[in-house]
Amino acid sequence: AQSVTQPDIHITVSEGASLELRCNYSYGATPYLFWYVQSPGQGLQLLLKYFSGDTLVQGIKGFEAEFKRSQSSFNLRKPSVHWSDAAEYFCAVARVTPIYIPTFGRGTSLIVHP
Amino acid sequence: DGGITQSPKYLFRKEGQNVTLSCEQNLNHDAMYWYRQDPGQGLRLIYYSQIVNDFQKGDIAEGYSVSREKKESFPLTVTSAQKNPTAFYLCASSGDFSYEQYFGPGTRLTVT
Repeated sequence: AQSVTQPDIHITVSEGASLELRCNYSYGATPYLFWYVQSPGQGLQLLLKYFSGDTLVQGIKGFEAEFKRSQSSFNLRKPSVHWSDAAEYFCAVARVTPIYIPTFGRGTSLIVHP
Repeated sequence: DGGITQSPKYLFRKEGQNVTLSCEQNLNHDAMYWYRQDPGQGLRLIYYSQIVNDFQKGDIAEGYSVSREKKESFPLTVTSAQKNPTAFYLCASSGDFSYEQYFGPGTRLTVT
């Protein structure tokens, strides 16, 4: 069975500082990995995804993530955080056969101080 | 614009009543999903459907029911058998081989 662990419930950073959100996954085959962002009271928006190829993937809003198979990790990074980045971030791993079913982590809440 | 709509945004019901949450998509996606979100719990899968007239239970289906009579629509009924129905409910869809989900804005259900 697939699973995702996001070890940090809350992360607080100052505006302009760098950010790294951690994600560890468990999956028996080649993982399909995702990061989503959720603003309060809203649905989720896809930031980026990894299926194969280059292990450093670029996403929207200046985010990137690096897939490290040896560490079963898919950490999300941003070099300089903006106040508008304050939100909940979810990592997900998906199986795609026989049907597409993602499993989400519990989320990390990002707080940005001015 | 293509997307997913959920209505209403807020829903209030008395305990013991069934309530149906609406989910409509115009993305021409075959697959649709319902999730429940509670603080600190992430998203938990209630039901999913790959094609019309077919759906499968997810991890927490007890006390919920769905139908999929049209490709565009996947309504969720929260029955009186659901012991703790107050939560934020999210509907999502995905297209063939895109392997990403598009989410609606959610419905916050409060049962008192």
